[in-house]
This record gives sequence, C-alpha cells and structure tokens, in this order.
Amino acid sequence: GQNIDQPTEMTATEGAIVQINCTYQTSGFNGLFWYQQHAGEAPTFLSYNVLDGLEEKGRFSSFLSRSKGYSYLLLKELQMKDSASYLCAVRDRGYSSASKIIFGSGTRLSIRP
Amino acid sequence: GAGVSQSPRYKVTKRGQDVALRCDPISGHVSLYWYRQALGQGPEFLTYFNYEAQQDKSGLPNDRFSAERPEGSISTLTIQRTEQRDSAMYRCASSGHLTGSEYNEQFFGPGTRLTVL
Repeated sequence: GQNIDQPTEMTATEGAIVQINCTYQTSGFNGLFWYQQHAGEAPTFLSYNVLDGLEEKGRFSSFLSRSKGYSYLLLKELQMKDSASYLCAVRDRGYSSASKIIFGSGTRLSIRP
Repeated sequence: GAGVSQSPRYKVTKRGQDVALRCDPISGHVSLYWYRQALGQGPEFLTYFNYEAQQDKSGLPNDRFSAERPEGSISTLTIQRTEQRDSAMYRCASSGHLTGSEYNEQFFGPGTRLTVL
C-alpha cells in the first residue's frame, strides 16, 4: 500500500522557525517533493530530495531519511505570507524518471503576528 | 503561454451528462499529470502521460473516467455519465524532461472546478 502522513494543522509565530514532518510508506521510492499551496491557488514547487540529507534553499530547507521513510520541511524567519498548506509528495517507483507521484493530505500552517 | 492552462475554469453540469476537461501544458514538457483535489486535501493522482503514451491510469476511479493526449501536448480528461460525487477540482500538471534536474518540478495549472448537480 501507499501512505503519506503529515500533521493536519500547525500554528507558528511570525519570525520563528517551524518544522513540518512527513512519513511515508510506498511501494517504491524515487524522490520526495514539498509543495506550497495558498488557499484557492495551485500548488507550487518548493523542494525535491532523492538522496539522504538536508537541502537548503533560502528560508526553506528539506531533509530526507530514506531508511526511516521520513522527511521534514523547515521554514525559518516565518512571514505572514507563509500561511498556506504544505504538501509532501513521493515519486513512486517507475522505469523512467517521470512516474506516478502520490501526495499527502497537506499540513495547514497558520502564522500569527 | 508561460504556464499550464486549463479550460474551462468552472463547469456546472447535470448528473448524467458527459464533460471534457482540457489541459494545455507548458510547451515542450514531456510529462502530463491529472489530479483531483477535494477541499482541504492533497491532490489525488488520476493518471499521467509521457509524450502521448498513457503510463499509468491506476488512479482513475472507474471506467467512466478516461484521458488522452494524442499528439503529446494537449490532454483531455473525459468523465462520462457524471455523478454528484465527481464534483471536485481537477488539476493538471506538467514537467519537463525525463532526465536532468528539470524533470523534478511539476507545474500545476489553475484547475477546473467541476460541479455536478
């Protein structure tokens, strides 16, 4: 089976740091994505991890541990505009690099002043 | 255009009617994905194409749903004999190349909001 788990909601304070966790169990693994989705808008790409370790991109970092089936998205120096849903997604095993992608239900992050 | 476009943006139909949803991917993108997204949920995989070939349709809910991409560019998702439970946001996404870093990112379209009365 395929299962991706992430918290439903989180709240954090402007200027602080927040970590959104994601655990997955999939039949195959060929990379993990994080997307941001503001209410009423399309998801937009944040990060991609295929090897273990931390990928840093500005205020956002993403970590992957394949042996543990675990990832997290770290957001630093939170801004009000970071209020959004954050989607964890796993690329399933495929014979090519482009293959089926399974999304979690998303974590709705609210930033308070 | 610069991004993925979908049409219509909104579709209201009566139960039992057929609907066709169109996706126009970013020019040159190899892969095209269809998702369905309920409010407050993540996108649910339906099917995807590499070029004109449908690679995986395991997410299509039943045989009333079908998709095609005959020339490897524009794609159509067709729902026959619509039911109220088909009401949802249908999203399309495309990604670039099969190798290299560009394939990693999916670009999503604005979606088609389907309402079945």
